[in-house]
Amino acid sequence: KAGVTQTPRYLIKTRGQQVTLSCSPISGHRSVSWYQQTPGQGLQFLFEYFSETQRNKGNFPGRFSGRQFSNSRSEMNVSTLELGDSALYLCASRYGTGSTEAFFGQGTRLTVV
Amino acid sequence: DQQVKQNSPSLSVQEGRISILNCDYTNSMFDYFLWYKKYPAEGPTFLISISSIKDKNEDGRFTVFLNKSAKHLSLHIVPSQPGDSAVYFCAASGNAGGTSYGKLTFGQGTILTVHP
Repeated sequence: KAGVTQTPRYLIKTRGQQVTLSCSPISGHRSVSWYQQTPGQGLQFLFEYFSETQRNKGNFPGRFSGRQFSNSRSEMNVSTLELGDSALYLCASRYGTGSTEAFFGQGTRLTVV
Repeated sequence: DQQVKQNSPSLSVQEGRISILNCDYTNSMFDYFLWYKKYPAEGPTFLISISSIKDKNEDGRFTVFLNKSAKHLSLHIVPSQPGDSAVYFCAASGNAGGTSYGKLTFGQGTILTVHP
């Protein structure tokens, strides 16, 4: 059974640009959550999607957005990139909305220059 | 406001001995807890979880203990192996107070080093 797949693995962007990251959850999983990991702030929750609906959102500016498609694949977008957006972006997939394990992808390392 | 805290930044253990990693939380709405192992530049790997209706859960060498009254959980690894060397994160979630189980709140992590 394939795990959570995130693409691309590495990305370098310039300040002011926008970026789209992709996440394919484990087959059969319908919940996808996104996290940002930085050395200073640790692992922080961005948002969660289930059945194409955003269920929860973390404390990030509106430049961070996401969506989920009918096949449960999810994308997150960051517009007007800032240097501080450089981070490891992680996607986690879960089977449903209950108290179940979350499985993470390998992450996308975004560097903003 | 750090709702989940791992107060020990690092832990060093001899191979074959027990590793005990600790985690404290402040939000009484949390009722589901997970432990992850992580290597740099990789995603966290799920280890074990526990619901608040239990006080212990075991899976092979890993056991998680939950003390709800103290808002404290711990991960025991027995016996420890050099391959266990990594950063360990505890995470918490809940479904009350407007949140959801899909939102994990993480501790800062503990670096475990197991010496041969």
